[in-house]
Amino acid sequence: NAGVTQTPKFQVLKTGQSMTLQCAQDMNHEYMSWYRQDPGMGLRLIHYSVGAGITDQGEVPNGYNVSRSTTEDFPLRLLSAAPSQTSVYFCASSYSEARSYNSPLHFGNGTRLTVT
Amino acid sequence: QKEVEQDPGPLSVPEGAIVSLNCTYSNSAFQYFMWYRQYSRKGPELLMYTYSSGNKEDGRFTAQVDKSSKYISLFIRDSQPSDSATYLCAMRKTSGSRLTFGEGTQLTVNP
Repeated sequence: NAGVTQTPKFQVLKTGQSMTLQCAQDMNHEYMSWYRQDPGMGLRLIHYSVGAGITDQGEVPNGYNVSRSTTEDFPLRLLSAAPSQTSVYFCASSYSEARSYNSPLHFGNGTRLTVT
Repeated sequence: QKEVEQDPGPLSVPEGAIVSLNCTYSNSAFQYFMWYRQYSRKGPELLMYTYSSGNKEDGRFTAQVDKSSKYISLFIRDSQPSDSATYLCAMRKTSGSRLTFGEGTQLTVNP
């Protein structure tokens, strides 16, 4: 199994450009989420989805859109990139939205985004 | 003030040392506690989890929760160079609530 696959691994954008970060999982997980990881801030939840067709905002949703048309895919869209969105982005999935506390999050290996 | 505080380090120890990694938290509603390990350029992976107070042991790793002090620890015995990574604590209030992560502690174990 591939687990959680994120593409691209690296990306440089200019301010104002838009792009989509891709995330796919092959574990038939209901729950998928996007985090950003910044020095001094830890992992912060951007958006999440508890199943196909259902999405909700996390802690830092502004400037990002998501959709979940299939169980496997959960793309993150940056509408108009800003330097403050320079970060490492992680997609994570789990069997359910932690119906049991030991349903671990499986993370992808991240997309490193720089906005100039 | 952050809900979860974790010293970012870096922490450098010789091979074979006992390592103690810690997090403090401010919200007494947290009940489920986890430790994730993150190697360089990789995503975090779950290392250990505990519920409420007490200890849990898994090989060289021991997770400890002290809810009265709002303090959790991860101990690594006989540390190895392969343990070099960033260790993130995480916690949630109920089984269905979102995780709150600490900043992570960067650990290097020197051969």
